[in-house]
Amino acid sequence: QVQLQESGPRLVKPSQTLSLTCTVSGGSISSGSYYWSWIRQPAGKGLEWIGRFYTSGSTNYNPSLRSRVTISLDTSKNQFSLRLSSVTAADTAVYFCARVVVSCGGADCSYVFDSWGQGTLVTVSS
Amino acid sequence: EIVLTQSPGTLSLSPGERATLSCRASQSVGSSFLAWYQQKPGQAPRLLIYGTSSRAAGIPDRFSGSGSGTDFTLTISRLEPEDFAVYYCQHYGNSLFTFGPGTKVDIK
Repeated sequence: QVQLQESGPRLVKPSQTLSLTCTVSGGSISSGSYYWSWIRQPAGKGLEWIGRFYTSGSTNYNPSLRSRVTISLDTSKNQFSLRLSSVTAADTAVYFCARVVVSCGGADCSYVFDSWGQGTLVTVSS
Repeated sequence: EIVLTQSPGTLSLSPGERATLSCRASQSVGSSFLAWYQQKPGQAPRLLIYGTSSRAAGIPDRFSGSGSGTDFTLTISRLEPEDFAVYYCQHYGNSLFTFGPGTKVDIK
């Protein structure tokens, strides 16, 4: 069973870059069957998708964050990473990494988050 | 971009009762692209339903999903104590994921 674990600084200063890593165990991140994604959740609020990375190198980002976000993979370490630049207090949230599984039946395919890390709280403050 | 609206915001029920949660999309979406998650305090969300009505692995059959077009429903036939949580619907389309704001199911 695949497991995901977030790691990285818990406190980031305003205007700096938030960097998190997700370590995947129990499965290869190079598998072409999955996408790898980041999602965040401010305290007491809902879920916001940040972006995803596919092993082909393709990425998709939330339009509201696209100018500040980079997601990348390190297949040698079975990890993927998030970088969010120019952070403000509004970026304070619990950040989750997650695996996207694709299930196809008929003409369409579903894309859902089937495995999640436990989440890590990142606070933006001076 | 699809916007998801969930209602009610909070649903107060007793164990054993039936829960009906609604998710409405701002425009018609394919049934393959609608999913539901459960989140308990301090935990990551858990996938319940994908493709509108398919239960994820290990999800009890008291959870069911239905709907089409713009209106989708998650039903919990008989609430168990462990079902009191927040539920989110999620859509995938045009390479983007969106979540609804959530419905909290709490104990009456």
